[in-house]
Amino acid sequence: DAMVIQNPRYQVTQFGKPVTLSCSQTLNHNVMYWYQQKSSQAPKLLFHYYDKDFNNEADTPDNFQSRRPNTSFCFLDIRSPGLGDAAMYLCATSRSGGEGEKLLFGSGTQLSVL
Amino acid sequence: ILNVEQSPQSLHVQEGDSTNFTCSFPSSNFYALHWYRWETAKSPEALFVMTLNGDEKKKGRISATLNTKEGYSYLYIKGSQPEDSATYLCASSPGTYKYIFGTGTRLKVLA
Repeated sequence: DAMVIQNPRYQVTQFGKPVTLSCSQTLNHNVMYWYQQKSSQAPKLLFHYYDKDFNNEADTPDNFQSRRPNTSFCFLDIRSPGLGDAAMYLCATSRSGGEGEKLLFGSGTQLSVL
Repeated sequence: ILNVEQSPQSLHVQEGDSTNFTCSFPSSNFYALHWYRWETAKSPEALFVMTLNGDEKKKGRISATLNTKEGYSYLYIKGSQPEDSATYLCASSPGTYKYIFGTGTRLKVLA
């Protein structure tokens, strides 16, 4: 089945040690999103790609970077994780980003920072 | 309302009970309202996307309504079953690529 896959399911990193989360999709969707969800909070958009065009949300910390080497893959890099970056990270896709399009999500990566 | 707000935050119901949740969103710059169901250890799954005032959508025992003028949507579950236990997220889409989520309602259905 076409789907959005995130790896790993759980990631543990050390304070300040760079970490990369990955997302892949078999839907050939143009748009890929990265959301951060901290405990009991709403998922918060970090950035999105339309094809290779990168769009950063204004309040996304510089510590967070992203790469999309091709249509199928998108990576979230956290250069120097702090304790406050511990969260669930959700990847999602949509065909073209229109308001009426549903998002298709991966199952998320739960990041712990020690 | 500046943010998307959901209530209640959590609730427990008995199997067979009907229940409903509320999503409140800014009524200005509104284009679409989304509902997602997120079961533990799974991906959030789209239930409904609604755009027009007065829209009603139904999927099995789950239905949703939309009032864009006053900025709210209701999600109803008729005859709750244990498999309905999940977090229900709503999101308002005020424009392309924009999805503003609420904090969700955690539903636990007790057998």
